[in-house]
Amino acid sequence: QQPVQSPQAVILREGEDAVINCSSSKALYSVHWYRQKHGEAPVFLMILLKGGEQKGHEKISASFNEKKQQSSLYLTASQLSYSGTYFCGADSSYKLIFGSGTRLLVRP
Amino acid sequence: DAGITQSPRYKITETGRQVTLMCHQTWSHSYMFWYRQDLGHGLRLIYYSAAADITDKGEVPDGYVVSRSKTENFPLTLESATRSQTSVYFCASSISGKQETQYFGPGTRLLVL
Repeated sequence: QQPVQSPQAVILREGEDAVINCSSSKALYSVHWYRQKHGEAPVFLMILLKGGEQKGHEKISASFNEKKQQSSLYLTASQLSYSGTYFCGADSSYKLIFGSGTRLLVRP
Repeated sequence: DAGITQSPRYKITETGRQVTLMCHQTWSHSYMFWYRQDLGHGLRLIYYSAAADITDKGEVPDGYVVSRSKTENFPLTLESATRSQTSVYFCASSISGKQETQYFGPGTRLLVL
């Protein structure tokens, strides 16, 4: 029941783009995205709601395909500060079930 | 503006001992959550609470007990710690349970010997 994230890890050069995917087997109310830096707590990035509404980060975009229960996070013109582990959270009731994460490393 | 705090930040204990991890939030959020984070598993929900005196199981509740007598506190107790419970524990809160941002505490690193 844990959503599946892909890729598991990605390495970028500063300025390159990346896409992180999240797929759930259950019907979702919304999809949440968080970023966690090493040794720190996860930090909220974005919520994608059914119907297309988004709430969150200005410089990071995402999509939510309700029919396929899939979400993608788009990181464009990546910066060094984007490095970390990205988690999607599948919201199918009053709780989140998180994927196992995608480790992103941005190099100069 | 303390937000959400956890204590202790680090804890070493022995197998079989009871351990309580504390979580306190100052926002009067209705929902609170406990997660554990292990390498390769991401964040797994242990228990959550919709309000004072209302709690429910998450994905991995076995071996844990929670209570919520006050809105602002949500302690997590390991009744008899096992080595498999060595992990980083995060507490989180949100205004409501659905479609709302969860705010995470700094985490407690627990080592069970």
